[in-house]
Amino acid sequence: EVQLVESGGGLVQPGGSLRLSCAASGFTFSSSYMHWVRQVPGRGPVWVSQINPDGTRAKYADSVQGRFIISRDNAENTLSLQMNSLRAEDTAVYYCAGPSTGINAFHIWGQGTMVIVS
Amino acid sequence: QSALTQPASVSGSPGQSITISCTGTSSDIANYNLVSWHQQHPGKAPKLMIYEDYKRPSGVSNRFSGSKSGNTASLTISGLQAEDEADYYCASFAGSRSWIFGGGTRVTVL
Repeated sequence: EVQLVESGGGLVQPGGSLRLSCAASGFTFSSSYMHWVRQVPGRGPVWVSQINPDGTRAKYADSVQGRFIISRDNAENTLSLQMNSLRAEDTAVYYCAGPSTGINAFHIWGQGTMVIVS
Repeated sequence: QSALTQPASVSGSPGQSITISCTGTSSDIANYNLVSWHQQHPGKAPKLMIYEDYKRPSGVSNRFSGSKSGNTASLTISGLQAEDEADYYCASFAGSRSWIFGGGTRVTVL
């Protein structure tokens, strides 16, 4: 079964740090661009960051550039997001997401993990 | 990064067809064949319904169809069913801005 499972969310004070993880299974993780997408309940999703298959290139939304770091461990099929200098506006459900074979879109989604900065 | 523009809500009776629009710019929707549509039920993760403007993933009903003209993409749901009641989001590749989403459309089945 194709699956993404996020963990690591929780309550953190402004200025604090949190590390999210996403465990992948059922597809060729090491060949896939992977993404973090966040969503404030009741609002549209917002793309946060992406990383290329071998982990050498990352891109970030302007709102998190310089504060968040995306990384991956292809041996462990794990995607991570290190979030530093957190702000109230970072409060959201964070999803890891990725494409599937032949589908260049957010096809595979995790169940999401809630981050509350307060 | 400005979001794509969607109507806040669309409604229809069972069996009817509805269309949701998604308006972007020449830098996103009009410039790439990478518009996707996602269905989201309350408390659930988004589910991909349409990708690359009009393609359907395996397992998605053929009642869902996508199209695009210029900088506007559309999702049509035909033969509306109660289970189609959900939030729908469009998304597009946007080059250097990577990916952008719409603000969402609440579909109500009357």
